[in-house]
Amino acid sequence: SAVISQKPSRDICQRGTSLTIQCQVDSQVTMMFWYRQQPGQSLTLIATANQGSEATYESGFVIDKFPISRPNLTFSTLTVSNMSPEDSSIYLCSVARGPNYGYTFGSGTRLTVV
Amino acid sequence: DQQVKQNSPSLSVQEGRISILNCDYTNSMFDYFLWYKKYPAEGPTFLISISSIKDKNEDGRFTVFLNKSAKHLSLHIVPSQPGDSAVYFCAATTLNMNRDDKIIFGKGTRLHILP
Repeated sequence: SAVISQKPSRDICQRGTSLTIQCQVDSQVTMMFWYRQQPGQSLTLIATANQGSEATYESGFVIDKFPISRPNLTFSTLTVSNMSPEDSSIYLCSVARGPNYGYTFGSGTRLTVV
Repeated sequence: DQQVKQNSPSLSVQEGRISILNCDYTNSMFDYFLWYKKYPAEGPTFLISISSIKDKNEDGRFTVFLNKSAKHLSLHIVPSQPGDSAVYFCAATTLNMNRDDKIIFGKGTRLHILP
């Protein structure tokens, strides 16, 4: 199965600033997925990133707030823009392994906005 | 509308006993059900899955039972060990798993194994 390196592992940011999270996969994958886990909540899909095309965002998430890059088949970034305390969350990238196994996840980025 | 529900936010079990984590779902179109385990400061890791055509799948100490008529599944851990203390997410998906058929996660149950 794929190994995903995600960084930073955690950060504390000032409101109004932006943070870019990086995910590197050790194999080529067509689709990468970005999730958010707010305290006490389930994992919520933010967007799906396909290489060579614009990311597809889920309801409630917009490109201006969460711009995504997917420059090649092994790398993606998610930026959390103009942050507010409500953006404090764990952000996770993942790749699909098929319905039997679901997704492989990165280790997550714990973001605190103050 | 929550399609996958884990109604117990936490569960405490004595070491050596059986841990039973429950999950309910509403969408009868789901083809696969998965359990993930998550330690603090780590991403969720796949634990075990079951196809909708089965009612039981076993892997070592972990067994998942599926009751389609009740739209209910459960994860049994026997015997429970200290390293099992973690948050467990129930999830469901359809066979295609493309963007429109993404994995839906429950809110998780925090399992505490007591010494």
